[in-house]
Amino acid sequence: AQSVAQPEDQVNVAEGNPLTVKCTYSVSGNPYLFWYVQYPNRGLQFLLKYITGDNLVKGSYGFEAEFNKSQTSFHLKKPSALVSDSALYFCAVRDLSFQKLVFGTGTRLLVSP
Amino acid sequence: DAGVTQSPTHLIKTRGQQVTLRCSPKSGHDTVSWYQQALGQGPQFIFQYYEEEERQRGNFPDRFSGHQFPNYSSELNVNALLLGDSALYLCASSLAAGMRSNQPQHFGDGTRLSIL
Repeated sequence: AQSVAQPEDQVNVAEGNPLTVKCTYSVSGNPYLFWYVQYPNRGLQFLLKYITGDNLVKGSYGFEAEFNKSQTSFHLKKPSALVSDSALYFCAVRDLSFQKLVFGTGTRLLVSP
Repeated sequence: DAGVTQSPTHLIKTRGQQVTLRCSPKSGHDTVSWYQQALGQGPQFIFQYYEEEERQRGNFPDRFSGHQFPNYSSELNVNALLLGDSALYLCASSLAAGMRSNQPQHFGDGTRLSIL
């Protein structure tokens, strides 16, 4: 079965510093990986996806993610964090047959001024 | 271009009651998926509708049922509500394009269901 793991419940970073939110995956075959962000009392907003191609994927709001097949990881990164980036981040993998998404447990990002 | 819209935004029910949640997909999308997000958890897949049929189902009991209409909108029905059904219910839409599309799902803001 497809699954993802987010090992950190919370990540703290100071504004202006680089941030990394970790995700590892377990899949049969080639992975289709996604990152979503959730602000309080809102739904999930799509940030970026990896399907195939370059291992560095660029997404919305200055976020990017690095796909590493040997480490089965898909970490979310941003060179310079903003206070407004504080939110809940979810990594997800898509089911092979359909469009069902399997989500991780989420990582809360807190960016301090 | 309207995104995914869900109604109502909040709902309070008591145990044993029944509830219907509604979702209108993003313009141009034809596939609707429903997810349950319990407090402090990631979303869990309930089921997916395409061409007015349930195409895939997660590990949820038969108390959870759904429907998709010809205009692609969808309803989620939950019968015999339990306290554990309290959660944020998210609807996501996408373009099937043969069901192996690489396009991301777009989510609504959800319906917060509280069971007393």
